[in-house]
Amino acid sequence: AQSVTQLDSQVPVFEEAPVELRCNYSSSVSVYLFWYVQYPNQGLQLLLKYLSGSTLVKGINGFEAEFNKSQTSFHLRKPSVHISDTAEYFCAVSEYGGATNKLIFGTGTLLAVQP
Amino acid sequence: DSGVTQTPKHLITATGQRVTLRCSPRSGDLSVYWYQQSLDQGLQFLIHYYNGEERAKGNILERFSAQQFPDLHSELNLSSLELGDSALYFCASSVEAGTYEQYFGPGTRLTVT
Repeated sequence: AQSVTQLDSQVPVFEEAPVELRCNYSSSVSVYLFWYVQYPNQGLQLLLKYLSGSTLVKGINGFEAEFNKSQTSFHLRKPSVHISDTAEYFCAVSEYGGATNKLIFGTGTLLAVQP
Repeated sequence: DSGVTQTPKHLITATGQRVTLRCSPRSGDLSVYWYQQSLDQGLQFLIHYYNGEERAKGNILERFSAQQFPDLHSELNLSSLELGDSALYFCASSVEAGTYEQYFGPGTRLTVT
């Protein structure tokens, strides 16, 4: 079974400052890793994903994440945030090569960007 | 717009009632996933259908059931509703190959009173 931990329920940050949202996972098998964003009253949108290859992945809206297998982490970063980045961010995993690609989500981190 | 549609957008009903949530996947996607988002449980996987067949079940209550029809749309049936079933229900669709990306619909907000 897999599990995802997002230790920070809320991260306040000032506009144009850098931000890191932390994600750690636990799994007995190899996994794919994802970050999704949920804007108020909307569905989830994929920011980026790690399937294989380079451990540094770039996504939409200037976000990037680094897969660290030894630390079982997949932290999300952005060098300079905007007010429009205010949203809930979810880290998720799915089992590599499994019969289903169901997503196991973390509890989410609310990124609150202040002017 | 993800290309996944869900109806209705909002649903208010009473305890003990039964409701049906509908999902139409993106054109060409064979997989449909259902997720529940609630304040106390977070985002939880319910069930996965692939081309009409059930592929996986999560923590789905026995009062809940789903199916995927030949035209690939899916329905989630919730019966004997309880207050705790109030939540946002998302469906997502995927091609199940390549990018493994799931495209999420806008959700159905269910309120049980």
